[in-house]
Amino acid sequence: GAGVSQSPSNKVTEKGKDVELRCDPISGHTALYWYRQSLGQGLEFLIYFQGNSAPDKSGLPSDRFSAERTGGSVSTLTIQRTQQEDSAVYLCASSRRTGGNQPQHFGDGTRLSIL
Amino acid sequence: DQQVKQNSPSLSVQEGRISILNCDYTNSMFDYFLWYKKYPAEGPTFLISISSIKDKNEDGRFTVFLNKSAKHLSLHIVPSQPGDSAVYFCAASGAGGTSYGKLTFGQGTILTVHP
Repeated sequence: GAGVSQSPSNKVTEKGKDVELRCDPISGHTALYWYRQSLGQGLEFLIYFQGNSAPDKSGLPSDRFSAERTGGSVSTLTIQRTQQEDSAVYLCASSRRTGGNQPQHFGDGTRLSIL
Repeated sequence: DQQVKQNSPSLSVQEGRISILNCDYTNSMFDYFLWYKKYPAEGPTFLISISSIKDKNEDGRFTVFLNKSAKHLSLHIVPSQPGDSAVYFCAASGAGGTSYGKLTFGQGTILTVHP
């Protein structure tokens, strides 16, 4: 497909477990972003990657959250020792590059539920 | 500190009429503004954007107006159709500083278009 792909679409796990969420950006897009939307809230920025530059991690809520982007394409967001407040929809987006008035295109998200 | 605000949680409009969604921002570093539409269980879909050097951008039924002095933008949908019923998010990013690259979103407005 031509769009941003995220997997899994739904994830239910027990408190304290680690989870990995995957994002495949649009081919050729050098910028990749992670956001999350908690129940009743707007979208909250987490982290973004631009090419080979150091990622902007300023939105990560705690050191339990980390992300990597391998080969400038696929990205994985990892949440360690999950807590109930981590329950949210995690959305990935990509754009041709960061800035320069480039719209970000979103995947359908991963709905994470922590029991 | 909410830098992008959509003060109307919901809007109801008759089919064929104009829908006007409003958004206010506080960060003067923002220079690029976007509107996204979101259906349940799907990711946000990019609709239309505007650069701060313009005051209007039109694409089919959708027009975005920007008033920089008032730090206000609006999305006009004419004519409104039942398929336009969704949550609409206003978003902004900046040319530099902490707002560079990442999108800051409003809380969203639920638009319902009645047949």
